[in-house]
Amino acid sequence: DIQMTQSPASLSASLGETVTIQCQASEDIYSGLAWYQQKPGKSPQLLIYGASSLQDGVPSRFSGSGSGTQYSLKISSMQTEDEGVYFCQQGLKYPPTFGAGTKLELK
Amino acid sequence: EVQLVESGGGLVQPGRSLKLSCVASGFTFNNYWMTWIRQAPGKGLEWVASITNTGGSTYYPDSVKGRFTISRDNAKSTLYLQMNSLRSEDTATYYCTRENRQLRLFDYWGQGVMVTVSS
Repeated sequence: DIQMTQSPASLSASLGETVTIQCQASEDIYSGLAWYQQKPGKSPQLLIYGASSLQDGVPSRFSGSGSGTQYSLKISSMQTEDEGVYFCQQGLKYPPTFGAGTKLELK
Repeated sequence: EVQLVESGGGLVQPGRSLKLSCVASGFTFNNYWMTWIRQAPGKGLEWVASITNTGGSTYYPDSVKGRFTISRDNAKSTLYLQMNSLRSEDTATYYCTRENRQLRLFDYWGQGVMVTVSS
């Protein structure tokens, strides 16, 4: 199975601050990567697919980048509603595997 | 609007069985693979089972293979997860998801249903 390693495990950011979350795959996943946001007490929601494509309705302050085994999610200006846990997921090979998550809090 | 509504969760003793259901609406159910994903309390996400759009093939990780069975009734737009021989480590919130087969990701999630396995 492809292992997904996320970092950091948690971070806090001030309003308007830029936030970056990293995700490393154990092998090349050829941009087959998705990012999900899970707000407290809610189910995960798809943010980004294909490593860099924004899902419909997702604010443009979210962006994804990367290739090969290294990927990142960036929030260009932290907002209150961005608090939650972020997960990456590889879709190159079955079984689908997720990173352990990054908890983002407002400072 | 796509909606996935799970039901059937609860408290169950180790070794017993439970069946989850997920009613889908807002899309053509029989066009999509469907997947169950679970999340243990305070933990990450784990793929549990997937089924093709016709129901002809199913897929499981080793952790549930032989104990869990995913199925669907396309006439009722309903997805199921039969869970047998439950263990304490199966305690989790179970999410019904719609799978985008081309991209192999999960574009819609239900609200989740809690399953607690405890004596």
